Amino acid sequence: DAGVIQSPRHEVTEMGQEVTLRCKPISGHNSLFWYRQTMMRGLELLIYFNNNVPIDDSGMPEDRFSAKMPNASFSTLKIQPSEPRDSAVYFCASSLQGLNSPLHFGNGTRLTVT
Amino acid sequence: AQSVTQPDIHITVSEGASLELRCNYSYGATPYLFWYVQSPGQGLQLLLKYFSGDTLVQGIKGFEAEFKRSQSSFNLRKPSVHWSDAAEYFCAVAPYNNNDMRFGAGTRLTVKP
Repeated sequence: DAGVIQSPRHEVTEMGQEVTLRCKPISGHNSLFWYRQTMMRGLELLIYFNNNVPIDDSGMPEDRFSAKMPNASFSTLKIQPSEPRDSAVYFCASSLQGLNSPLHFGNGTRLTVT
Repeated sequence: AQSVTQPDIHITVSEGASLELRCNYSYGATPYLFWYVQSPGQGLQLLLKYFSGDTLVQGIKGFEAEFKRSQSSFNLRKPSVHWSDAAEYFCAVAPYNNNDMRFGAGTRLTVKP
């Protein structure tokens, strides 16, 4: 099992540009989570999906952020337009939905917005 | 308010010494409890989890954690730390299911030679 795969590993962009982060969850997992990690705020849950359906996006900071999961094996997190305060490490995680299933994390995408 | 607290931001121990990382939670009922480890540039890896039953749970890499209901704590321990254990450790709780998992702020562990 390759684990959760995120791309790119690093992204450097200029303010105002569109950024798209990608995630391939573990095959068979039906829950997918997007987290943001910063020194100031730690790990924040942005949004999660169950069976490709967004369930809770209350953690998405602004309308500039959007996430999609068109199928069980792919999800994107888009920021448009990006701002310097969006600089962070963005993690995708997947799991089996339910009480006893831990989250499996990807290695993250480090985003720098200049 | 529901919360997860890791009181120690940074801990330094000598290689071979014992380790205890603290975690306290504030929830109405016993939640599901987890410890994760994050090495630099990596995602979080599950060390162990507690759902019910024996309050002392064993995890990977020689770690264990003890759930104490009376103290609302789930402290992580290791009898003898190795240099490779240097990382950041996160306690997490899921009050109802894993869709509502909350993470503590993390404890950074430094291991001295």
